[in-house]
Amino acid sequence: DTAVSQTPKYLVTQMGNDKSIKCEQNLGHDTMYWYKQDSKKFLKIMFSYNNKELIINETVPNRFSPKSPDKAHLNLHINSLELGDSAVYFCASSPIGREQYFGPGTRLTVT
Amino acid sequence: AQTVTQSQPEMSVQEAETVTLSCTYDTSESDYYLFWYKQPPSRQMILVIRQEAYKQQNATENRFSVNFQKAAKSFSLKISDSQLGDAAMYFCAYYNAGNNRKLIWGLGTSLAVNP
Repeated sequence: DTAVSQTPKYLVTQMGNDKSIKCEQNLGHDTMYWYKQDSKKFLKIMFSYNNKELIINETVPNRFSPKSPDKAHLNLHINSLELGDSAVYFCASSPIGREQYFGPGTRLTVT
Repeated sequence: AQTVTQSQPEMSVQEAETVTLSCTYDTSESDYYLFWYKQPPSRQMILVIRQEAYKQQNATENRFSVNFQKAAKSFSLKISDSQLGDAAMYFCAYYNAGNNRKLIWGLGTSLAVNP
């Protein structure tokens, strides 16, 4: 039983395209997150939603837009992809005030 | 602002030996959580251990234990009887409810286990 799932796991696309990454959690958690991990393994928080409400919106280009249709789903849409967007993107969820549980990550490669 | 520092970018240990990864943090809060996460080459982020700041007892999970020094703001991870599968990046993280439910992450320590 997968707790936090992401699709796709790998995404290769060309500059200028638009792509989406989907995330679902079956843990009943209220809060979900999107992270970007660069080639140096640094984890950078991008967005966080609590019960479909945006609570964290770090300094991220507005080409990135999160969407939470319900508290079990948090999708990430990226417009006009750039080379610098190549990274691993992680979705995570947590109950209030506790540790975060991560999805398997999506490796995005922009060519 | 809260910060988390992992001063050892890389470490290595012989199989079956013990290794300690260091983590220090800066906060003015008294109520918070600390975590160690492991990221093996598979890239999955795995929670290793959790410590609540109000608990004086150090957390332990099998071969993993922490040395939590609240006054010194130190939270080191000890791995006993190291195994090849312990080779991974290890991240220390801090959480405080007043921080918009955001984890503050260290930069990680890459641990190699030598056979």
